[in-house]
Amino acid sequence: KAGVTQTPRYLIKTRGQQVTLSCSPISGHRSVSWYQQTPGQGLQFLFEYFSETQRNKGNFPGRFSGRQFSNSRSEMNVSTLELGDSALYLCASSLVASGGSDEQFFGPGTRLTVL
Amino acid sequence: AQKVTQAQTEISVVEKEDVTLDCVYETRDTTYYLFWYKQPPSGELVFLIHRNSFDEQNEISGRYSWNFQKSTSSFNFTITASQVVDSAVYFCALSEAVVKAAGNKLTFGGGTRVLVKP
Repeated sequence: KAGVTQTPRYLIKTRGQQVTLSCSPISGHRSVSWYQQTPGQGLQFLFEYFSETQRNKGNFPGRFSGRQFSNSRSEMNVSTLELGDSALYLCASSLVASGGSDEQFFGPGTRLTVL
Repeated sequence: AQKVTQAQTEISVVEKEDVTLDCVYETRDTTYYLFWYKQPPSGELVFLIHRNSFDEQNEISGRYSWNFQKSTSSFNFTITASQVVDSAVYFCALSEAVVKAAGNKLTFGGGTRVLVKP
């Protein structure tokens, strides 16, 4: 069974640009979550999607957005990039959104560098 | 608000020594789930174990064991007879189970870097 895949793996952008990251969950998984990992702030929850609906949202500005498609694939978008957006963005999928108990399977991440 | 604290930032041991990682959490919920994840240099987070708040039974799984104590809000993790391949960053995480539809939202600790020397 294929794991969680994220594309691209590496990305370099400049300030002010926008970026779209993609995540394909494990087959059959319906919940997709996104996390940002930085040396200063650690791992922080961005948002979670289940059945094309955003169920949870972390404490990030509106420049960070996401969506989920009918095949459970998810994208996240960051507009007007800032230097502080440089991070490893991790996607995780789980079978169902059952109130916090699910094991989440993580992808390899997309490393975004903003110059 | 929920919070997870891993006081140890880095631990260095020699192969075959045991390693215990500390984790202290804060939550207002009575139902919650605790996790340990491992992040090797490749960057991908690997699930290790999880425990719900109603199950304080401590278990051993291979070289891994954990000690969950609700009275002290601690969920410590031990690697027995460490190996070089255990070198990684280990994260403790908390997920609150508010209602069934609440979904998954992990709050992570800052991580503990484990270096196992041959």
